[in-house]
Amino acid sequence: GAVVSQHPSRVICKSGTSVKIECRSLDFQATTMFWYRQFPKQSLMLMATSNEGSKATYEQGVEKDKFLINHASLTLSTLTVTSAHPEDSSFYICSARGEDRSYEQYFGPGTRLTVT
Amino acid sequence: GQNIDQPTEMTATEGAIVQINCTYQTSGFNGLFWYQQHAGEAPTFLSYNVLDGLEEKGRFSSFLSRSKGYSYLLLKELQMKDSASYLCGRRGSTLGRLYFGRGTQLTVWP
Repeated sequence: GAVVSQHPSRVICKSGTSVKIECRSLDFQATTMFWYRQFPKQSLMLMATSNEGSKATYEQGVEKDKFLINHASLTLSTLTVTSAHPEDSSFYICSARGEDRSYEQYFGPGTRLTVT
Repeated sequence: GQNIDQPTEMTATEGAIVQINCTYQTSGFNGLFWYQQHAGEAPTFLSYNVLDGLEEKGRFSSFLSRSKGYSYLLLKELQMKDSASYLCGRRGSTLGRLYFGRGTQLTVWP
């Protein structure tokens, strides 16, 4: 299957700082990428949908100024958590869907963010 | 919301069969997915249903009834490695967004 990578896999930052998480599709072009967050023993919560070259579409209740998403190319989307707070600590996972993959989404390995 | 509902936990023994049910909101429906997720790892794709009926893939099968807003994942010949969380995902008609239920934590005992 297709491969999606995320970087970093783990990050610890101090309150008030910003953290950037990268999501890359390694062997296909991803026209659409999705960002999720997951709390312990909870399911994946969709945060936003990112299309290459256009503004991201955020789900209700997700602050777009806090979670900045950039989908600059067909293989890269970034999520920046700005002015992070301890409550932002979570597991962030991206997924990607390619032009020729009409239904399947491939998930990255996730990024564990801890804000101290 | 998407009103995706699935049991929180299930247990079964090795070699047995288990069925994980999922109900969802039918309006704007555009496909039903099942993913497997081991703790601390990314979800991996198991199945996709968009038409009514049963899709069989090895030990795993998935069923869909669109009129009832109902799906199930059937796991046969359970193995210890099948212990994981199973996520039911409903795709909407807009932007291909995929929404998940809270997941069913399956524990397989020897």
